Amino acid sequence: EAQVTQNPRYLITVTGKKLTVTCSQNMNHEYMSWYRQDPGLGLRQIYYSMNVEVTDKGDVPEGYKVSRKEKRNFPLILESPSPNQTSLYFCASSPSFGGRVYEQYFGPGTRLTVT
Amino acid sequence: ELKVEQNPLFLSMQEGKNYTIYCDYSTTSDRLYWYRQDPGKSLESLFVLLSNGAVKQEGRLMASLDTKARLSTLHITAAVHDLSATYFCAVSYGGSQGNLIFGKGTKLSVKP
Repeated sequence: EAQVTQNPRYLITVTGKKLTVTCSQNMNHEYMSWYRQDPGLGLRQIYYSMNVEVTDKGDVPEGYKVSRKEKRNFPLILESPSPNQTSLYFCASSPSFGGRVYEQYFGPGTRLTVT
Repeated sequence: ELKVEQNPLFLSMQEGKNYTIYCDYSTTSDRLYWYRQDPGKSLESLFVLLSNGAVKQEGRLMASLDTKARLSTLHITAAVHDLSATYFCAVSYGGSQGNLIFGKGTKLSVKP
């Protein structure tokens, strides 16, 4: 089954404790992206990757890191989480031709709480 | 800075009625996306509009794009309860087409 998986689905952690949220897709998509969703603010893009070893900042990259060493995986790293990073996080992937993104397939989401 | 605005943000409709959701954006872009999100769920792609004048239809939903006016519409025909969800538009931004900006979403409630 074609899908985007995220782990963990739920996470409660404390300020400053490094964490990684994994994202994996099995559709051989070139493009992958991370978003956070907060009430009243819609979705905001954190980082995206047009292909392996190619990553770029979205609108709200501060406090996050990403890497794209393999095509299928795009982990999101919070080196020192803070309470303002409490949010619902979505990973997405899409085929990409000529540098253009088509329909995105979203993962199930990761609800992160930082206390 | 690209801004994407959706109107209305909340919409309560009766079954059988028609309505339109508007998405306008402030900077040139040649593609626009519509997504649906059910409560507590992830997002699902509805339409990708790739050029000026593009029109796509799926069931009771029809989306169009006017790049000159920087406006997309999502038209709902004869609404049914199953269409109740939040609808987001998104626009690709800047030199890198991978940078996407989402509107805040339109929460649609269809009542019998």
